[in-house]
Amino acid sequence: TQLLEQSPQFLSIQEGENLTVYCNSSSVFSSLQWYRQEPGEGPVLLVTVVTGGEVKKLKRLTFQFGDARKDSSLHITAAQPGDTGLYLCAGDPSSNTGKLIFGQGTTLQVKP
Amino acid sequence: NAGVTQTPKFRILKIGQSMTLQCTQDMNHNYMYWYRQDPGMGLKLIYYSVGAGITDKGEVPNGYNVSRSTTEDFPLRLELAAPSQTSVYFCASNELAGVTYNEQFFGPGTRLTVL
Repeated sequence: TQLLEQSPQFLSIQEGENLTVYCNSSSVFSSLQWYRQEPGEGPVLLVTVVTGGEVKKLKRLTFQFGDARKDSSLHITAAQPGDTGLYLCAGDPSSNTGKLIFGQGTTLQVKP
Repeated sequence: NAGVTQTPKFRILKIGQSMTLQCTQDMNHNYMYWYRQDPGMGLKLIYYSVGAGITDKGEVPNGYNVSRSTTEDFPLRLELAAPSQTSVYFCASNELAGVTYNEQFFGPGTRLTVL
């Protein structure tokens, strides 16, 4: 069974601080996605990384895919209260069924 | 485009009751999924479908059934509700063709409580 483990599970920081969320597995994924979910809503895709070692930036968010395509990280610079939410990583095991393996999520709270 | 819509938004059931959670997408996606999300947790796949008339079990299918008679609709049926089925249910869809790299589009969820 392929698993994705996220850490930390909960993070509470002050506005302006930096943070990193990790997503680790012992399995290889053809691609990895990061979703953000706000209370009462469904997850929304932030980014997809597909190449080992790939780095993508989305404003203050930096996403990295591990060289071996088994892990990923999300780094937020100068966090703002609007960044508050649940961050989920999801891996594509390339089973051609479209199924994704989700991590358990990281709840981020950014206090003003 | 409305995207993925789900009804109802909230529901309270008594133990043993049955209900159907509705999911409709207007993006002409072949692939559709049902997930459940327990508090503070990620998403667990219940059932999925790769096209009309084709469904298959996910990670946690027990206590649920699905059908896919059209491309647009993918209802989830609970036959004998149990407290363990208290959760938030999300429907999602996607299309693997092209360069979408398996992005899934989610509905707003149905919050179900079984008492």
